[in-house]
Amino acid sequence: GAVVSQHPSWVICKSGTSVKIECRSLDFQATTMFWYRQFPKQSLMLMATSNEGSKATYEQGVEKDKFLINHASLTLSTLTVTSAHPEDSSFYICSAPYRETQYFGPGTRLLVL
Amino acid sequence: DAKTTQPTSMDCAEGRAANLPCNHSTISGNEYVYWYRQIHSQGPQYIIHGLKNNETNEMASLIITEDRKSSTLILPHATLRDTAVYYCIVRVPFTGNQFYFGTGTSLTVIP
Repeated sequence: GAVVSQHPSWVICKSGTSVKIECRSLDFQATTMFWYRQFPKQSLMLMATSNEGSKATYEQGVEKDKFLINHASLTLSTLTVTSAHPEDSSFYICSAPYRETQYFGPGTRLLVL
Repeated sequence: DAKTTQPTSMDCAEGRAANLPCNHSTISGNEYVYWYRQIHSQGPQYIIHGLKNNETNEMASLIITEDRKSSTLILPHATLRDTAVYYCIVRVPFTGNQFYFGTGTSLTVIP
């Protein structure tokens, strides 16, 4: 089956620092990957679409300068939360399409102090 | 994407079948029905999907009505590990493929 991994699984950082989260497709290639954010007791909210070889596209209301996305290869997309603040604390999840469906990573828990 | 409607929460006794309904009355002809679940603090897990025929795999069965306006996910013998939020999503595959999540159904399996 299709497997998507994320690293790290959790991270704690100080306010004002930047945090990078990696998303990898382990056994398939993905020209497109997706980044979601989930706050406690809420559903997943799509943040942006990561495109290999071109710029990411962001959902309305998501600051592209704050959430930098780089799709470096056909198996790796990274999300960098720049100048993180406590309100950026959340559960970040990536996904990648494979055949007719989409597979999700295990998520990264970010806590900004 | 077609909007889906699911009950907010459901309970099911352990060992019994869990039947989770989903309404998607505005579904278009080329949209598939997908089901995922999310166990607390994990990423969503793919369960099953279908277009118009009923589908079954090792995890669950998917029953889609003839008019395709609703569907039911069936977990034949629910266990405590099936406690999760279940999401029904309709989407045309291979087209951008973003999945927009609704609020889902929180299923609690009771011992």
